[in-house]
Amino acid sequence: GAGVSQSPSNKVTEKGKDVELRCDPISGHTALYWYRQSLGQGLEFLIYFQGNSAPDKSGLPSDRFSAERTGGSVSTLTIQRTQQEDSAVYLCASSLVVQDLYEQYFGPGTRLTVT
Amino acid sequence: AQSVAQPEDQVNVAEGNPLTVKCTYSVSGNPYLFWYVQYPNRGLQFLLKYITGDNLVKGSYGFEAEFNKSQTSFHLKKPSALVSDSALYFCAVRDPDGGSQGNLIFGKGTKLSVKP
Repeated sequence: GAGVSQSPSNKVTEKGKDVELRCDPISGHTALYWYRQSLGQGLEFLIYFQGNSAPDKSGLPSDRFSAERTGGSVSTLTIQRTQQEDSAVYLCASSLVVQDLYEQYFGPGTRLTVT
Repeated sequence: AQSVAQPEDQVNVAEGNPLTVKCTYSVSGNPYLFWYVQYPNRGLQFLLKYITGDNLVKGSYGFEAEFNKSQTSFHLKKPSALVSDSALYFCAVRDPDGGSQGNLIFGKGTKLSVKP
């Protein structure tokens, strides 16, 4: 079946511009996660959505970052007034949150370059 | 605080030899542990997990990992490495009692290089 998809695959933007990154989770998955992968830094958790609960925003690095999930499916991560340190690969993942089924399925990522 | 450590940035192995990629963790409760692999220019792929039960977990592509509670480790192993196993490997932990709502805490990754 279809996996997690993300768009665009690559995004180059100028410093100070806003960007939107999109994630389409696996159909039926109630949980959706955003992570950031920076060179040499591993994966950094950003935000987590689970069903209709309030999202866990504890990983967002600043108030320039926000995310929403519409209709319990597609999610958009928005970065306002981008900075060069925002350059990274942004990964989205989804999962079924049921007993013993916690593995997350990742999309291919969006590579963001801020010039 | 929850954390995951992968002490080796890179592991080099000859094809056909056994491989081990190390991982240690720190959580407040009983951990859920995962290994993921990332091939170049690809997303992360799930390899295996430990939730409960048998300490030896078998996963995809012939990999296995052993949960050791006393040593707080979850090392990834494979009896005979293949060149195609060369990739970046991430260990991750979820602490179901730690207050987080489900996100994984990842190690910084270990680059595995298997030479012919």
